[in-house]
Amino acid sequence: DGGITQSPKYLFRKEGQNVTLSCEQNLNHDAMYWYRQDPGQGLRLIYYSQIVNDFQKGDIAEGYSVSREKKESFPLTVTSAQKNPTAFYLCATRRLLSTNEKLFFGSGTQLSVL
Amino acid sequence: GENVEQHPSTLSVQEGDSAVIKCTYSDSASNYFPWYKQELGKGPQLIIDIRSNVGEKKDQRIAVTLNKTAKHFSLHITETQPEDSAVYFCAAIPTGGGNKLTFGTGTQLKVEL
Repeated sequence: DGGITQSPKYLFRKEGQNVTLSCEQNLNHDAMYWYRQDPGQGLRLIYYSQIVNDFQKGDIAEGYSVSREKKESFPLTVTSAQKNPTAFYLCATRRLLSTNEKLFFGSGTQLSVL
Repeated sequence: GENVEQHPSTLSVQEGDSAVIKCTYSDSASNYFPWYKQELGKGPQLIIDIRSNVGEKKDQRIAVTLNKTAKHFSLHITETQPEDSAVYFCAAIPTGGGNKLTFGTGTQLKVEL
């Protein structure tokens, strides 16, 4: 919230379809993250990026892909290889300083399977 | 890697009472412990955080305590109000692990009138 825009708020995916979730930020933060949230579970890291044109896998990257062509944008694609995509997806950003670990989150996208 | 356990999973209190949520962590190298509040349909918001060089931090009605020896930290909310109802997450991060914040599983707090 407050500088991080996720869209759409709700998204439905058909069998075999790829869908892309948008995350845009105007905080001028260097690092961007994608987390997956399932009911009763903590947030799990999918992918993250610290600089443009570079990104790293998190703990549950299989079935997902990302790009970081601009500092402000970090879209997440949920591919057909992700067999259980229904979840709440959260984008986060962080200013890269040696003593700063504070994450700022967007308002999330709820993805459901039709 | 780091493992964070959080209890209880649900907590119901009467308005005006105190609420306490506890977390334990496994990696003794962890040195930053934030708490996030998530309201329904929204993203988590940082409400308070603590570093391993202090034992307690307070911000109005909320406080966090840290016991490095026992590797546990707690969130304390006093004089609870209905607007405190939300899911609260603890998290921990080790030194140099700026990209690997590990979250607890969350506590659903309900403040009843």
